[in-house]
Amino acid sequence: GNSVTQMEGPVTLSEEAFLTINCTYTATGYPSLFWYVQYPGEGLQLLLKATKADDKGSNKGFEATYRKETTSFHLEKGSVQVSDSAVYFCALSSDYKLSFGAGTTVTVRA
Amino acid sequence: DGGITQSPKYLFRKEGQNVTLSCEQNLNHDAMYWYRQDPGQGLRLIYYSQIVNDFQKGDIAEGYSVSREKKESFPLTVTSAQKNPTAFYLCASSIAPGLAGGRETQYFGPGTRLLVL
Repeated sequence: GNSVTQMEGPVTLSEEAFLTINCTYTATGYPSLFWYVQYPGEGLQLLLKATKADDKGSNKGFEATYRKETTSFHLEKGSVQVSDSAVYFCALSSDYKLSFGAGTTVTVRA
Repeated sequence: DGGITQSPKYLFRKEGQNVTLSCEQNLNHDAMYWYRQDPGQGLRLIYYSQIVNDFQKGDIAEGYSVSREKKESFPLTVTSAQKNPTAFYLCASSIAPGLAGGRETQYFGPGTRLLVL
């Protein structure tokens, strides 16, 4: 079956630091890959996505590249802000279903 | 603005009571989904519907029921058979299954937090 494994948190950073959250997946076929962000008390917002190998998704300074050879979709941001504090979920879509990682809590300190 | 609305934001359930969570979308999406989120965990699929008047069980359907009488609406009922209902419930929608080869992007509502009295 399909599964997603992402880096355990929590992650605490200072403002302007570099952020990486690792995500690897197991899937049959060719899934689409996503990063969602959840702010406290809110639903999930789509942050970025990639639909095929070597695609790079990007949004709000965040980037992730679909690496088929390493089955990975790591999230990166070069300079985080306090407003980036949230829970980040890696997910894959295949066979009409969305599979999620457990989420990584990121806290950015001023 | 197009989007997904869920109500209420907070819901309290008494012992033995059925409660219904509302989910409405104006994105003209064919497919709708219900997920449950427990603290520190990812999301688990309860039910999904790919078309009006049809729905399928997800991974944790026991103790829940749904209906899909209109394209825009997909209410979830948490029945008294669900012994541990305290959780955050998220509704999502996507374009018609198959248009992206089974890899459709899902968009989420703001969630309903259910608490047991």
